[in-house]
Amino acid sequence: EIVLTQSPATLALSPGEGATLSCRASQTISSMYLAWYQQKRGQPPRLLIHGASNRAAGMPDRFTGSGSGTDFTLTISRLEPEDCAVYYCQHSVTFGGGTRVEIQ
Amino acid sequence: QVQLVESGGGVVQPGGSMTISCATSGFPFSSYGMHWLRQAPGKGLEWLAFIRFDGSNEKYEDSVKGRFTISRDNSKKTLKLQMSSLRTEDTAMYYCAKDLRGGGTYSYTFEMWGQGTMVTVSS
Repeated sequence: EIVLTQSPATLALSPGEGATLSCRASQTISSMYLAWYQQKRGQPPRLLIHGASNRAAGMPDRFTGSGSGTDFTLTISRLEPEDCAVYYCQHSVTFGGGTRVEIQ
Repeated sequence: QVQLVESGGGVVQPGGSMTISCATSGFPFSSYGMHWLRQAPGKGLEWLAFIRFDGSNEKYEDSVKGRFTISRDNSKKTLKLQMSSLRTEDTAMYYCAKDLRGGGTYSYTFEMWGQGTMVTVSS
């Protein structure tokens, strides 16, 4: 069973700064099936990145996915207040525990 | 536009049963695999079940296997989840989701999600 570990648990940053979110798999996984989701408070999750690096339709280009093997990264550049959310990585039926991004 | 609307949630006693539904529109429902997922209050996301575009195959997460049944009606563009032997730990927001890929291929990437329906298992 694959385990996805996300770090850090929480990021507190200022508007305009950049954020780097990590997702580490317990074994090598196919990047084709690695996705990232954004979940704002009180809303369902929203697909952000699929295939490790492909932005979903309508998602701003400030969001960039990268990585392969066991290490994957979601980078958010030029943080905006609307980016306050929990971000989850996912592979097949497994989700990571999430990283909460707070914009101060 | 693509819409997924869950319904049928509520309060049920432990050991009871409930069926929740997902009405869809805006895409060729009969061409896509569909999923149910849930999120317990304050917790992370959990995948529960998958059904092929034609309903010919289903997959379940171990903790719900034998208790939950996923089904679909392509003529009504509707997805269902029948839940039985419910436990307090099944209390969660339940979401239906559309797979990213259609046409008989599956990615287990959840492209679109409904707003969810809350199921509370409590005496």
